[in-house]
Amino acid sequence: DAGVIQSPRHEVTEMGQEVTLRCKPISGHDYLFWYRQTMMRGLELLIYFNNNVPIDDSGMPEDRFSAKMPNASFSTLKIQPSEPRDSAVYFCASRRTSGAAQYFGPGTRLTVL
Amino acid sequence: GEDVEQSLFLSVREGDSSVINCTYTDSSSTYLYWYKQEPGAGLQLLTYIFSNMDMKQDQRLTVLLNKKDKHLSLRIADTQTGDSAIYFCAESNAPSGGYQKVTFGIGTKLQVIP
Repeated sequence: DAGVIQSPRHEVTEMGQEVTLRCKPISGHDYLFWYRQTMMRGLELLIYFNNNVPIDDSGMPEDRFSAKMPNASFSTLKIQPSEPRDSAVYFCASRRTSGAAQYFGPGTRLTVL
Repeated sequence: GEDVEQSLFLSVREGDSSVINCTYTDSSSTYLYWYKQEPGAGLQLLTYIFSNMDMKQDQRLTVLLNKKDKHLSLRIADTQTGDSAIYFCAESNAPSGGYQKVTFGIGTKLQVIP
C-alpha cells in the first residue's frame, strides 16, 4: 500500500498568491481529513470528508480556505489569497469506515513570505 | 471540550526504558492512540488500544491504560537513538464505523542520548 500521498512536499510563495495542496488518500479509505500543524497551536483539524462529501468544515480558519474532494482518490486544499500566518505544515489523513485509526501523509510545509 | 495533556520533553539514555505519559478528560473515549513524528515527516501510527483493555504489548512497545484515572502511557523498552521523535497521544470518542473526532495532545519530544 502506498500510503497517503501529498504534494507538493514544500511550497514557498509570496503573500497574496493562491496555494493549492493536494492529497491522495489510501485506496478504500472513505474518510479524508485535512490538518494544520504549527508550533503555537499544535495539530488542528480543518475539515473532513466522508465519501467525498464535506462533513465538518468548522475548523477552516476563514473564507480564504477552501477544500474539495472531486472523487475518492483526490482532494485539494486551497488558500486564496495566502498570508504569512498561513505558514504551517498541512497534513492529509485518511481512514476506513471500519477502521480504528487515521493514517497520515508526509505533509506539505507551506511558507508564505 | 475534550483535552489531551502530555509533557513536552523527555530525555533518556540509549538502552534505558522510556515512559511517556498522557492524561485525557473525555470519559467516553473509545480508542486511544500513540503516534510518532520524526523530523520533517508525518504522524506514523505506532499503536492504539481500545478503551476496554488495560494493556497492549507490541515488541518493544507497551501501552498501559488506566481508565479510572484517564491515564495512558507508552513504554519503549531498550530505547534506541532511532526512537528520538515527537510522540503524540490521541483519543477518539466514537466507535469505528462512524464519525470519529480525534483529539491530539501537543506531543512529547523524546531525546535519546547515546
